[in-house]
This record gives sequence, C-alpha cells and structure tokens, in this order.
Amino acid sequence: DVKVTQSSRYLVKRTGEKVFLECVQDMDHENMFWYRQDPGLGLRLIYFSYDVKMKEKGDIPEGYSVSREKKERFSLILESASTNQTSMYLCASNTHPGSGRTEAFFGQGTRLTVV
Amino acid sequence: GEDVEQSLFLSVREGDSSVINCTYTDSSSTYLYWYKQEPGAGLQLLTYIFSNMDMKQDQRLTVLLNKKDKHLSLRIADTQTGDSAIYFCAESVDTGRRALTFGSGTRLQVQP
Repeated sequence: DVKVTQSSRYLVKRTGEKVFLECVQDMDHENMFWYRQDPGLGLRLIYFSYDVKMKEKGDIPEGYSVSREKKERFSLILESASTNQTSMYLCASNTHPGSGRTEAFFGQGTRLTVV
Repeated sequence: GEDVEQSLFLSVREGDSSVINCTYTDSSSTYLYWYKQEPGAGLQLLTYIFSNMDMKQDQRLTVLLNKKDKHLSLRIADTQTGDSAIYFCAESVDTGRRALTFGSGTRLQVQP
C-alpha cells in the first residue's frame, strides 16, 4: 500500500521559531509537494520538488523554504514562524506526468499552530 | 492560467443522491480527479476521469465531464452519513506543471 507519512499530526510553535515539517514517501516518486490548506481557500501550493536537490516555487512560497536531500524525503521549513502561518500543511507525491496519470498521494496532514 | 472552482457547501438527506459540481478553466487538462477529505485527515483519491471521456461510473460514484463547458460533476448515489466530508476536484494539465490544481473544496453534510 502506498504511503506518504508526515512526521507530526499536531504542532504548536512560538512566533519567531524555526519550524521543520518532514514528509517521507515510499513509492519512489519523483515529485513531492507541500500544500497549505485554509478554510474556503482550498489547497494552495507552497513548493514542489521534481528531483533530489531540485525545487520550484509554488503559488505562495513567501516565508517558506524546502529541502530535498534524498528522493523519499521532502522537508518544509518556516524560517521564522508567524501567526499567519497557522494552518494545515499537506505533503503529497506523484510520479512524472510522462507516465500518464499523475494523481497525488497525500500524507495525513500536520496542523500547525503558531502562538 | 489554471483556476478550479467549486461551491463551498452541500447538504443532503441520507439515501438521497448528492451532486457536487466543479468548473475549471484550463483547456489543456488531461486528467480530472475527485478527492475526499474526512475530518482531520489527508486527502484520499476517490476517482478520476481522463479528459477524452465524458462519463465514468464506479459503484455509487458517477463522474460526468462536459469538456466544452469545462464542467465536472461527482454524483454519489444513496448518500450515507459516512460520505460526510470535504470533496475536492483537481486537474492536471499537459503543460509540464507537475502539481495538481485544486478547487476550494465542497463540504458535504449528510443529514440522517
């Protein structure tokens, strides 16, 4: 069974802290994504990576960075957490679009609260 | 550009059919997907349709695609309380963008 695992379900951090959200997939997928989910706004793409050490900005990259040192692991970093980054964060992965269907497989989500 | 829109809320009675609608703007869509999100969980793929199809049926789920109007719908027959969730439509396009574009999600509430 395919699996995307996020390291934490719930996190509470203080304003100004550096925060790491970790995601691991076991499907040997090339692509990995970080989305942010807020009520009424759906899922918004923060960053994605299409290969080890490769990354591209999504629609809302400000205040975030990412790291992909290994194919199976994709980390989202909040350099200095702010209260407007309180949200549900979803990690996903998929395979290269050249192979046809590109449905994304999702982790269970991390609900981050910044106080 | 890509834009996917859904209504935010739908309420139905148990046993009735639910129809969740979605519109998209990108004519180069290749696959369109429906995902389900239960409370506190990630998204699960429910079904998908290739853009050259107009209908797909999978047990209680029927997906209809009107490519001319860029309209996608998900019909759930005999809706159950366990179907209460947020439903997202999403599209992938053939322009090389690897990420799916999601709608805002429709919250389906099933009344007993």
